[in-house]
Amino acid sequence: EADIYQTPRYLVIGTGKKITLECSQTMGHDKMYWYQQDPGMELHLIHYSYGVNSTEKGDLSSESTVSRIRTEHFPLTLESARPSHTSQYLCASSEFGEEAFFGQGTRLTVV
Amino acid sequence: GESVGLHLPTLSVQEGDNSIINCAYSNSASDYFIWYKQESGKGPQFIIDIRSNMDKRQGQRVTVLLNKTVKHLSLQIAATQPGDSAVYFCAETNTGGFKTIFGAGTRLFVKA
Repeated sequence: EADIYQTPRYLVIGTGKKITLECSQTMGHDKMYWYQQDPGMELHLIHYSYGVNSTEKGDLSSESTVSRIRTEHFPLTLESARPSHTSQYLCASSEFGEEAFFGQGTRLTVV
Repeated sequence: GESVGLHLPTLSVQEGDNSIINCAYSNSASDYFIWYKQESGKGPQFIIDIRSNMDKRQGQRVTVLLNKTVKHLSLQIAATQPGDSAVYFCAETNTGGFKTIFGAGTRLFVKA
């Protein structure tokens, strides 16, 4: 069982609200990632981090932001949620050159 | 580059048959390859990996084949079971680099 946790699992929120999706891992991994995935579709990398105080944008443009103040924590924030942000958000972590461990995901619905 | 908004290809097999899922990878410099299985409502989970110094690696009921000449990766599942129904993603990475690239994924349906 992988030790990476995402909260909340499901979130329904109104347009314009600020939200933070939480992701924590207890494996001491330096690399962490956020992916966006619509149902039945591909995984799209939106943010990644090499370690503390390191964050990079991924391949898919996203209006979200991330921070990495602690090794184990990689939260994703949307300052003003819109219906176009409705999707599943998956967090993952890995060692360099090793497989990634994924959280269960947060399914976000913006109404 | 990656495709946006691409629906996943589907493979349908009879229970007990062998399944073969294919993947073309993009970066000649990639030296580590991974297959993930994603069940409905869950995050992807590691199945098997292979490094570029190998052509074949076997696990329990699964085999991964790597053809570096044509940049092709395949996952073979023996005696496919209903519990194998899921989406399967291949991933490539360079152990000296920092980014993992995921393939588009294939949805496997197992008919009882």
